Amino acid sequence: ETGVTQTPRHLVMGMTNKKSLKCEQHLGHNAMYWYKQSAKKPLELMFVYNFKEQTENNSVPSRFSPECPNSSHLFLHLHTLQPEDSALYLCASSQSVIAGGPGQETQYFGPGTRLLV
Amino acid sequence: KQEVTQIPAALSVPEGENLVLNCSFTDSAIYNLQWFRQDPGKGLTSLLLIQSSQREQTSGRLNASLDKSSGRSTLYIAASQPGDSATYLCAVKGRAGNMLTFGGGTRLMVKP
Repeated sequence: ETGVTQTPRHLVMGMTNKKSLKCEQHLGHNAMYWYKQSAKKPLELMFVYNFKEQTENNSVPSRFSPECPNSSHLFLHLHTLQPEDSALYLCASSQSVIAGGPGQETQYFGPGTRLLV
Repeated sequence: KQEVTQIPAALSVPEGENLVLNCSFTDSAIYNLQWFRQDPGKGLTSLLLIQSSQREQTSGRLNASLDKSSGRSTLYIAASQPGDSATYLCAVKGRAGNMLTFGGGTRLMVKP
């Protein structure tokens, strides 16, 4: 399997549930990203991981908890979500977060997880 | 705070037309600008990336230009085809940090 995969593709959860979104990249990249795409807002970056270390947290509420155990896997743990958290959650990866050569910053996206709270 | 705007929000054209999608950004201190394509219910596909020192990039029927001083970029699609129907997003990367700021997208429909 190649590219960036995300599971599950669809998720319905209650406000008191705990669930996790999974992202896996098969591209040998070192940087991974979580984005949120709501119906009426532009795509928003949530978190950036570079070599398993979190480098960006875009003021995301603590009910979203990311985890990056290695450069190929990224999780987003969800708990006590609100209805406004319903959105398409996209994962992406890139070779690096800083350009060391042509194309290294290009981000490759997964198909997303459609979440309904 | 960087803001990215895309005009128009939606566009419908007959097949074969040449078209231009517009993107503007408020802070000209950018590192690069990217154009993406998103098909319904799917993730994004990177189309073109323009570094801040570049003026344009071309890939097949696509040409993206960047005027950093005026905070504008355009995506030119030549000889449009029904398969070009999708939402096109532009995103800028600032010099501080590793974040992309996205525009709201232009939803394009090319009619046969």
